[in-house]
Amino acid sequence: KAGVTQTPRYLIKTRGQQVTLSCSPISGHRSVSWYQQTPGQGLQFLFEYFSETQRNKGNFPGRFSGRQFSNSRSEMNVSTLELGDSALYLCASSTDRPADTQYFGPGTRLTVL
Amino acid sequence: AQSVSQHNHHVILSEAASLELGCNYSYGGTVNLFWYVQYPGQHLQLLLKYFSGDPLVKGIKGFEAEFIKSKFSFNLRKPSVQWSDTAEYFCAVNVPNTNAGKSTFGDGTTLTVKP
Repeated sequence: KAGVTQTPRYLIKTRGQQVTLSCSPISGHRSVSWYQQTPGQGLQFLFEYFSETQRNKGNFPGRFSGRQFSNSRSEMNVSTLELGDSALYLCASSTDRPADTQYFGPGTRLTVL
Repeated sequence: AQSVSQHNHHVILSEAASLELGCNYSYGGTVNLFWYVQYPGQHLQLLLKYFSGDPLVKGIKGFEAEFIKSKFSFNLRKPSVQWSDTAEYFCAVNVPNTNAGKSTFGDGTTLTVKP
């Protein structure tokens, strides 16, 4: 099976812009989660989508949003970018069995200038 | 809410030395436990996981971890490290069922193995 794919792999934006990141889960996986990884804060949970519905949400401002499509692919959007949004954004997918493993994609490296 | 604490931020070992990385979590109920590894320039990969059953779990590349419920710990071990084990290691926990897609990670431990 192909792994989790994320596009684009690198992005450079300026403050105030918005950005959309995409994630394609492993075939058959219906749960998609997003994480932000920074040197200072480590890995922090953003949100999780299952069956096109947001099921869990982390402690991030409303500028961070996401959605999931019927084929389980997911996008996350960050509006009004700030310098502090520079990070590696990771997507993870799982099958949603009660005991299951999240498999991570390579991430999108976002740099905000 | 659960939290995860990794005691060592940076560990430096020589090849063939034994490794133990500490991980403690705080949550009173049933949890799933994971160790992930991130090699330089690569994405997070699963080393091993614990869901239930035998508290001693074996993973890839000779790693193992022991779940001690009374201590809320899930320490990672390897008897003899190699230079190729140089990487960052993350302990993670989530709650089964509807919160299984929301993992809480420790801050990570950077392991440097000297040849």
